[in-house]
Parts: sequence; structure tokens; C-alpha cells
Amino acid sequence: QVQLQESGPGLVKPSQTLSLTCSVSGGSISSGDYYWSWIRQPPGKGLEWIAYMYYSGTTYYNPSLKSRVTISVDTSKNQFSLKMTSVTAADTAVYYCARAQGGFDPWGQGTLVTVSS
Amino acid sequence: SYELTQSLSVSVALGQTARITCGGNNIGNKNVHWYQQKPGQAPVLVIYRTTNRPSGIPERFSASNSGNTATLTISRAQAGDEADYYCQVWDSSTTAVVFGGGTKLTVL
Repeated sequence: QVQLQESGPGLVKPSQTLSLTCSVSGGSISSGDYYWSWIRQPPGKGLEWIAYMYYSGTTYYNPSLKSRVTISVDTSKNQFSLKMTSVTAADTAVYYCARAQGGFDPWGQGTLVTVSS
Repeated sequence: SYELTQSLSVSVALGQTARITCGGNNIGNKNVHWYQQKPGQAPVLVIYRTTNRPSGIPERFSASNSGNTATLTISRAQAGDEADYYCQVWDSSTTAVVFGGGTKLTVL
């Protein structure tokens, strides 16, 4: 079955850019009616959707994060990525990637990103 | 923007029925998805498109949606059902995914 795995730096300095990649295995990122998504969860808090996109390029962003976030897909590597600019301590969270089709399923295991100098 | 409201916590006796609600304006007109998240783990989809269970999810999990409230029902609650539960919808007016704040289920 499809599995997702996040990767990227665990520590980012304030004002810098957070970059994460989600590797998809067990299925092609460009097959089927799926959206590929990023979701985050600050420590001890709830889930916050960041963005998702269809492999062909259609993208949707959380309005509150849209100005700082870019999601992209690399079909040749079967990966999709997240870039978030001008990060602050408020962006410290576990970042999850997930596949979406009528609900998010499956999810990656998540990766903790801490914003600190 | 569209908002989903969940109670912070719900308690249920072992073997009894737990009901977790998710409130939103005319949520009955939307597809609602529900997730279970245990400590230190990624969320797991337990109900999709309001009433459907993914493979591997016990029949004890069911859901309904009407008016301004969606409800996740867990029958014959087990200790292993203790978790945080989140509802989620797609808001077409803002083209955004919205999560509820989450409900912590305690099985007594």
C-alpha cells in the first residue's frame, strides 16, 4: 500500500525558509484522483492544514499561510515538497504529509521542525 | 472563514457508547471526515465522507451528520479507543480544508 515519509531539517532559524519533502512509495504520485497535502500540529495543539495540490499543478493553500507557503510536486522522483518562508517560533510543529481523497489517508509519520536560533 | 467546534473532552465508561460532536454552520450539507490520533502517532482516518469506514476500522465506529452538528459514535468503547478525535471538512467558499479543534476521549 501507499506509504509517505517526510524528510528535512529538524531545526530552522527564525526568518529563514523551512523546506520539507515527502517521498511516496507503493504508488505513483501522478496516478489516480488524489491530492497531496501538508498538515502541521504545534506541540500540544490541534491539526492545521497547510496546503495541497494535484499532481497536474492545481493547488490550494490555507488562506492564513498562503503568502509564505509553496507546495510543489516532482513526479520524476515521486515526491512533493513544502517551502515556508520567514518562519517564526509559531511555526514550530510536527509537519505531516498525507494523501487526500475524501479525507486524508494515509499520513506520514510526521517530522518535528523547531524554529529557534 | 468556516469554523468547526468540538468539545475539549468526552468521557465514556468501558463498554458504553461515546458520542463526539462537531458543530458548524449547516455542516449537514458537507462531507465530514473523522480522524483518531493516539499520543505520539500520526492521525488515522476512521470515517470518510460522513458515514464510510476505511478498511480495517471496526464497525463500532459510525457517524452521522445533520443540520449544524456531525457526530462520531463509538460503540462498546474500549481502552484502546482513548485518543484525540478530529473532524474535518472542505469549505468550498474559501477553498480550504478546516479541522475541528479536537476532542480528547477518555475511557473510564
